[in-house]
Amino acid sequence: GENVEQHPSTLSVQEGDSAVIKCTYSDSASNYFPWYKQELGKRPQLIIDIRSNVGEKKDQRIAVTLNKTAKHFSLHITETQPEDSAVYFCAALQGAQKLVFGQGTRLTINP
Amino acid sequence: GAGVSQSPSNKVTEKGKDVELRCDPISGHTALYWYRQSLGQGLEFLIYFQGNSAPDKSGLPSDRFSAERTGGSVSTLTIQRTQQEDSAVYLCASSPYISEEKLFFGSGTQLSVL
Repeated sequence: GENVEQHPSTLSVQEGDSAVIKCTYSDSASNYFPWYKQELGKRPQLIIDIRSNVGEKKDQRIAVTLNKTAKHFSLHITETQPEDSAVYFCAALQGAQKLVFGQGTRLTINP
Repeated sequence: GAGVSQSPSNKVTEKGKDVELRCDPISGHTALYWYRQSLGQGLEFLIYFQGNSAPDKSGLPSDRFSAERTGGSVSTLTIQRTQQEDSAVYLCASSPYISEEKLFFGSGTQLSVL
């Protein structure tokens, strides 16, 4: 089955700087890779996703890149703001049904 | 309803007791998922339903865990003879259909086994 590794587990950056979170996956057949954000005490919510037919996708200050050959994908947040502080989860879709998540990254934005 | 609803939001139980956790998905969503989130850990897949059937139960940790879904809507996750290591947040999510990948999560049930 699919195995998703995520790092770092914690990340602290100064407000305004960029943050990068990386994930690797094991199943070369996986073709959908979402990122979820979970603020403290709240439910996870989808913030961006990418499919295997593209290498990069951007939405304002967040972007995701995918390297299918190396089986890794990354989340990039630019011009970080305090409200970006949260736990971020990457995931990979195994088959057509099962979304396998990474262990999460606790991102802290320091003012 | 407006979103995925889970109940109870918090459950404290004694070791050895059985517990039932309930998930009410968004109306019309055919796919339903259960995940477990232990303190500081990721989202561990437990089971998913398409309609009332559960094609993949591979994530259930032991035979003490079971889940059912009736009428293609509400699902219950039952843990029998609870153990302390079962303490976690149990999250339910739904999506319109299996091939629609975006998941809509509930707020979860915080289970504490004393």
